[in-house]
Amino acid sequence: DQQVKQNSPSLSVQEGRISILNCDYTNSMFDYFLWYKKYPAEGPTFLISISSIKDKNEDGRFTVFLNKSAKHLSLHIVPSQPGDSAVYFCAAILLDGANSKLTFGKGITLSVRP
Amino acid sequence: NAGVTQTPKFQVLKTGQSMTLQCAQDMNHNSMYWYRQDPGMGLRLIYYSASEGTTDKGEVPNGYNVSRLNKREFSLRLESAAPSQTSVYFCASSAGAVYGYTFGSGTRLTVV
Repeated sequence: DQQVKQNSPSLSVQEGRISILNCDYTNSMFDYFLWYKKYPAEGPTFLISISSIKDKNEDGRFTVFLNKSAKHLSLHIVPSQPGDSAVYFCAAILLDGANSKLTFGKGITLSVRP
Repeated sequence: NAGVTQTPKFQVLKTGQSMTLQCAQDMNHNSMYWYRQDPGMGLRLIYYSASEGTTDKGEVPNGYNVSRLNKREFSLRLESAAPSQTSVYFCASSAGAVYGYTFGSGTRLTVV
């Protein structure tokens, strides 16, 4: 049973507009949520994270919002740029000391049109 | 450059052959991980090592073995490769999951 769900496989937006990438989760005990970005033929790279006790975290053009009651988080990219075109993975952690590990969603492919 | 190094980058195996995927990190991280990425499946954890000398199964461990050779190196072995193991394999390391993982650039494995 998938605990982290990214139900939309792809998203296409115009350059300069907002990109909103959604993620749902089933385990209310998750402690942290992270977003990773992946370009073709490269490994994923860490983008931004949020603690479960927060509802918003912002880093430049990237903002992550967390709605715990809905078990939903979203990544907003404003303004979107062609270089943002990549696969974005949502991930969650249940802290368990040294055994803490990330659970990833299936990813969403973002295409930003010039 | 500091980071996670995976070798080889590409490999083609015949069904039944064995091979070892190598991974090394130079960031003095305690934890290391092996994931596989398949179309429409995201990243799935195969095995992980919370610290030197320990290894544990992840979500999809069947058909694989691992060795945490020392703090730097964590290898993944396929004893008898099957076409279902055709995938892109990523190694990652972490100082603690909340700090994020550093991933290698991946090994693209094809089993024919």
